[in-house]
Amino acid sequence: DTGVSQDPRHKITKRGQNVTFRCDPISEHNRLYWYRQTLGQGPEFLTYFQNEAQLEKSRLLSDRFSAERPKGSFSTLEIQRTEQGDSAMYLCASSSRASTSTDTQYFGPGTRLTVL
Amino acid sequence: DAKTTQPNSMESNEEEPVHLPCNHSTISGTDYIHWYRQLPSQGPEYVIHGLTSNVNNRMASLAIAEDRKSSTLILHRATLRDAAVYYCILRAAYNAGNMLTFGGGTRLMVKP
Repeated sequence: DTGVSQDPRHKITKRGQNVTFRCDPISEHNRLYWYRQTLGQGPEFLTYFQNEAQLEKSRLLSDRFSAERPKGSFSTLEIQRTEQGDSAMYLCASSSRASTSTDTQYFGPGTRLTVL
Repeated sequence: DAKTTQPNSMESNEEEPVHLPCNHSTISGTDYIHWYRQLPSQGPEYVIHGLTSNVNNRMASLAIAEDRKSSTLILHRATLRDAAVYYCILRAAYNAGNMLTFGGGTRLMVKP
């Protein structure tokens, strides 16, 4: 049983460059989430997909951020014109239960982004 | 959203029980109490959740106060592998974004 996978695990980029991260959820999980975590803080919600539909976006998700989930399987998170403040761990999670209050989210190992 | 309050850090000795407290005085009647933990250099992982009654699973026990304004995660015998940040999270019965709202959590240190 494979868990949530993320690629790459680490990314170093220069300010102003674009970066793209990929998340592969647990197969048959219809829900997918992106979170961001800075050093010493808990993860913060960015966006949520149910199948291919992006149903919720946080105010943290500025215009430079875009997320997609074509065909309701893997997802990508792109950051355009990166800034040093974008340096963080980007976590992906997936879940499948119908109840929003009790479903378990399974997290991937994260992609650590460093913007120089 | 109802908020949770947890101590920043706690220490425990290996093979001893650990009680991790969480206060949630503004919890609503339909909020579930969830616990996740995050081991070093890993994503968070689910530990346990409950609504009103105490809950047990293979990882831990969750004791919920009768007025539901606080709860305690109990690790019955701490191991070195249990050193992690533990997050207490309230989840509403209806949550449009289905997101988990993490606070600062409690960093548990386990001494051999």
